[in-house]
Amino acid sequence: AQSVTQLGSHVSVSEGALVLLRCNYSSSVPPYLFWYVQYPNQGLQLLLKYTTGATLVKGINGFEAEFKKSETSFHLTKPSAHMSDAAEYFCAVTGYNFNKFYFGSGTKLNVKP
Amino acid sequence: DAGVTQSPTHLIKTRGQQVTLRCSPKSGHDTVSWYQQALGQGPQFIFQYYEEEERQRGNFPDRFSGHQFPNYSSELNVNALLLGDSALYLCASSGQVAYGYTFGSGTRLTVV
Repeated sequence: AQSVTQLGSHVSVSEGALVLLRCNYSSSVPPYLFWYVQYPNQGLQLLLKYTTGATLVKGINGFEAEFKKSETSFHLTKPSAHMSDAAEYFCAVTGYNFNKFYFGSGTKLNVKP
Repeated sequence: DAGVTQSPTHLIKTRGQQVTLRCSPKSGHDTVSWYQQALGQGPQFIFQYYEEEERQRGNFPDRFSGHQFPNYSSELNVNALLLGDSALYLCASSGQVAYGYTFGSGTRLTVV
């Protein structure tokens, strides 16, 4: 079985501040982990993914995430927030064959000027 | 190269009616999955189609059914619509693992 928990349904940061969005997963098989971003009234856009190999993965728009197996975590970070980062972010887990994605409930990021 | 295409983008239906949503996968992808995203929630897996067969199904009632055509495109059908079926319905396509997993922009269904 697989599941994802995202701590904090709403996160607010100032422009230029560090962004940290938390994701913990549960998986009975080696996990493939993803972060997606969703802007209002739009679909899901892939930010980054971890499948195998390097545990620190870099994505688009300056985001990165680190897979920590011992902590079952895959937190998303960005050193300096931009106003355009305001959106909802979803963490997801699946297995190697992409049969089914399990999503967290999402974290809405607000960026203050 | 077009990504995943979904139609229509928006739809309003009345309780008890039936609806069909359509999805064309990304070029090179042969597997289609459908997700329901209710307001304020993360997407929930409905089912996945591969080689025109339902390969896996989530926890959704039989009112939700699907089909995959030889060209890999897919339809999601929902019968006897309920107010609670109002949601964004997302289609995702995939192929060999290395090709990734791509989501469409979704169909917003409103049941009144």
